[in-house]
Amino acid sequence: GAVVSQHPSWVICKSGTSVKIECRSLDFQATTMFWYRQFPKQSLMLMATSNEGSKATYEQGVEKDKFLINHASLTLSTLTVTSAHPEDSSFYICSARDPGTENYFGPGTRLTVT
Amino acid sequence: GNSVTQMEGPVTLSEEAFLTINCTYTATGYPSLFWYVQYPGEGLQLLLKATKADDKGSNKGFEATYRKETTSFHLEKGSVQVSDSAVYFCALMPNFGNEKLTFGTGTRLTIIP
Repeated sequence: GAVVSQHPSWVICKSGTSVKIECRSLDFQATTMFWYRQFPKQSLMLMATSNEGSKATYEQGVEKDKFLINHASLTLSTLTVTSAHPEDSSFYICSARDPGTENYFGPGTRLTVT
Repeated sequence: GNSVTQMEGPVTLSEEAFLTINCTYTATGYPSLFWYVQYPGEGLQLLLKATKADDKGSNKGFEATYRKETTSFHLEKGSVQVSDSAVYFCALMPNFGNEKLTFGTGTRLTIIP
């Protein structure tokens, strides 16, 4: 099946700094990518929908100036957590949709803000 | 709006036991329904899906039938293995409009030898 990678798989940063997470579709082109946040023992919360070449669409309650999303190419989307704080610590997961409308998920990135 | 309700976990079963994880949904129209599995330390993988009423999705011994009359998509397996230990998510996607996945809260399944 199709593969989606995320980098890094885990990151620890200090409060106030910014962190960038990459999501890549390795063997297909994804016009749409999604970013989720997963809290411990809870489900995935959709943060935003990223379309190649256009601005991301954010879900209600998600701060677009804090969670910057860039979909630079058909195989790469990035999520930048700006001025991170401990409450931003979470598991961030991306998914990429192939032309057949199947969703493939990345392995996730564990962010810890100290 | 759309929503998915899953039975709360965690669920612990002995090897070779019968498994049922309940899932019901609320949606407009006729959404597609999915079960995803998340093994420890990994991302979500599609386990099975059904796109219309009465369809049965199946994979790796797991089955789920799209029941429109009860708005349900319960996951079943006749004989579970230790390797089935994971978190299982039920999800739906509208067949029109925004095509975003809506997930249930997930059910952690642990199989003991």
